Amino acid sequence: GENVEQHPSTLSVQEGDSAVIKCTYSDSASNYFPWYKQELGKRPQLIIDIRSNVGEKKDQRIAVTLNKTAKHFSLHITETQPEDSAVYFCAASSGAGNMLTFGGGTRLMVKP
Amino acid sequence: GAVVSQHPSWVICKSGTSVKIECRSLDFQATTMFWYRQFPKQSLMLMATSNEGSKATYEQGVEKDKFLINHASLTLSTLTVTSAHPEDSSFYICSARSTQGVSETQYFGPGTRLLVL
Repeated sequence: GENVEQHPSTLSVQEGDSAVIKCTYSDSASNYFPWYKQELGKRPQLIIDIRSNVGEKKDQRIAVTLNKTAKHFSLHITETQPEDSAVYFCAASSGAGNMLTFGGGTRLMVKP
Repeated sequence: GAVVSQHPSWVICKSGTSVKIECRSLDFQATTMFWYRQFPKQSLMLMATSNEGSKATYEQGVEKDKFLINHASLTLSTLTVTSAHPEDSSFYICSARSTQGVSETQYFGPGTRLLVL
C-alpha cells in the first residue's frame, strides 16, 4: 500500500518568513495530492491540492509543487501570519477506492 | 458547499456501552464516506471505507465487529463503537467524497471526541 512520509514534524518561523513542508510517497500510481490544515480540536480543512498532470499550483500565499519522478511534493507558504499556525497534513491518493493516505503531520508555529 | 456534519461532537460513556456516531453530507451526495481515528498529536488513521448500499471495507487491524459501519443512504453513514473500552477513547472523524465534480476531494466532518471511562 501507499506510504507517505512528511517532514519536518515541527516548524517554527517568524511572521513574514516562508515555510516549506515536504512529503514523499511510495506508490507511483498515486495521482492526487491534497494538503489539509487542522487547527486544534477542529476538522482538517483542504487548503490546496494538486494532480499528477501538473507540476505546480498556486493560490495566493500557498503553493504546492510535485515531482513525480522523485515521488515528492511540497507545500510552500509565503509571508506567514500567526493565523497560519496549525498542523498541516499532506496526503496521497493511490487510485484504488481513492482513499487518502496521510503523512504524519507538521506542526507549524508562526511567531509574531 | 461540501459541508459534512457529525453528531455528537462529544461523548462520555461508561466502559461496556455502545456509542453511535453519525456522519452526514449536508449539501451533496456521497457514495463513499471514510472513517478515521486520530490520537492526540498524531495523524489521521483510516479505519474503514464506507460505501452506500454495501459492506464497509476495513483497514488491517481494525475489528469490524467492534466498529460497525452502516451507510444506508447517500448522505448518511454511521459508526457504532460496540462495547467501548478506555482504549477506544479517541477523536473520530469522518469524511465524504462527492459523487460530482472532483471525485477525489474529501470533505471532513468536525469530529467526535469519545471518552470511555
